[in-house]
Parts: sequence; structure tokens; C-alpha cells
Amino acid sequence: AQRVTQPEKLLSVFKGAPVELKCNYSYSGSPELFWYVQYSRQRLQLLLRHISRESIKGFTADLNKGETSFHLKKPFAQEEDSAMYYCALSRGTGFQKLVFGTGTRLLVSP
Amino acid sequence: EPEVTQTPSHQVTQMGQEVILRCVPISNHLYFYWYRQILGQKVEFLVSFYNNEISEKSEIFDDQFSVERPDGSNFTLKIRSTKLEDSAMYFCASSESLAGTSGRTEHFGPGTRLTVL
Repeated sequence: AQRVTQPEKLLSVFKGAPVELKCNYSYSGSPELFWYVQYSRQRLQLLLRHISRESIKGFTADLNKGETSFHLKKPFAQEEDSAMYYCALSRGTGFQKLVFGTGTRLLVSP
Repeated sequence: EPEVTQTPSHQVTQMGQEVILRCVPISNHLYFYWYRQILGQKVEFLVSFYNNEISEKSEIFDDQFSVERPDGSNFTLKIRSTKLEDSAMYFCASSESLAGTSGRTEHFGPGTRLTVL
């Protein structure tokens, strides 16, 4: 079975501070990992996925298969980054369901 | 940019009643999903749908649930006899063809909040 763990329910930082949102997963195969973001009163939207290896809004995430982690990082947090962040996994590429973590609320204070 | 839409935004119903939650996926998408999120819990997969049939369903998706694409644009989730524990936010999602190497992206709707009294 697949499982995604996000150990922090809330992460509170000051503007300009570095941010790391933790995500660990368990899956015996080769998963595809995603980060979704939900801003206040908005829908879930894809932030980034490991297969693209891109940086979106200054966020990056590297898949570490040895540690089964996919932590989300940003060197300098902005107030507009305040949102709910969900790590998600699917069983490889293609038409597979997403398994979500419980989410971490990021609060960036001025 | 095209978006997935869902109606209603909030549905209140009595226990035992039937509800139909409606979704309009993005027009050229071929894969459709329902997820739900009980308050304070994680987003959970319910069902996926492709080529007019269910591709996968979770343990939650029992005989009380059904999905349909009645007219080529809408995608509905029906709960035949609602229970208190069905109270949740229900998200519809759709994704495009899998062709290419970019992988698919699921586009989520804004959700329908279902309250069962």
C-alpha cells in the first residue's frame, strides 16, 4: 500500500526565512511524487512534480529514493506563500490515483 | 485558462436522502476522478473513470456510490442513501491525455461541501 506522511500540521516562519516542508512516502515501486497547494478559498492546484525537475514560485523538491522523501524547499519565504501544502504520490506515471498526505499549513508572517 | 467546475458549492441533506454532485471537467480531458476530504483529514481517492467506465475505486466507494457521465460534458457522483459520515468536501478532478513525457496533471474543481444532518 502507498502512504504519504507529512509530519508537520503547521509551519510558521517569518518573511525571508528558508522553508522546508517535509514529505516522506512508502511505496515499493517507482512512484511519481507531487506537491499540491491550496491557497485560502481556492482550489487544489499542482505546484510541482518530481518528474519535471522544475522550480515553481521559487519552490523546489528533490526526490530522495534512499530516504523515501520529497521535501519542498524555498530559500526565502514570501507572505503570499501562506497556504496549505499537500504532498501526493501516484504509482508511477500514467492514469493512477493520487494518494495524499495530511497537509502542512504554511504561515509566513511579515 | 479552462477550469473544472462543480455544483453546488454547498449541499445540505437529510440522512438517508439521495444526493447528486455535479462536475464539468475540462473539455478535452479524458480521465475523471472524485476525491473527498472529511474535515481535518486527508484528501482521499474515491473513484476514477475513463472511457465511460470505472477504472479504479477505493474501499470508500461502496454500493451507495455511483458515477456517471450522462451527456459528454457532466460527470456526476451520486450517493443513494447518505449517512452522517458522508459529510465532507467532494472534489472532482480531470486530466488530459497521457501522450508525451510530461505526465498527466490532475486539475481539481473547487469542491462541493456536503453536509448530512
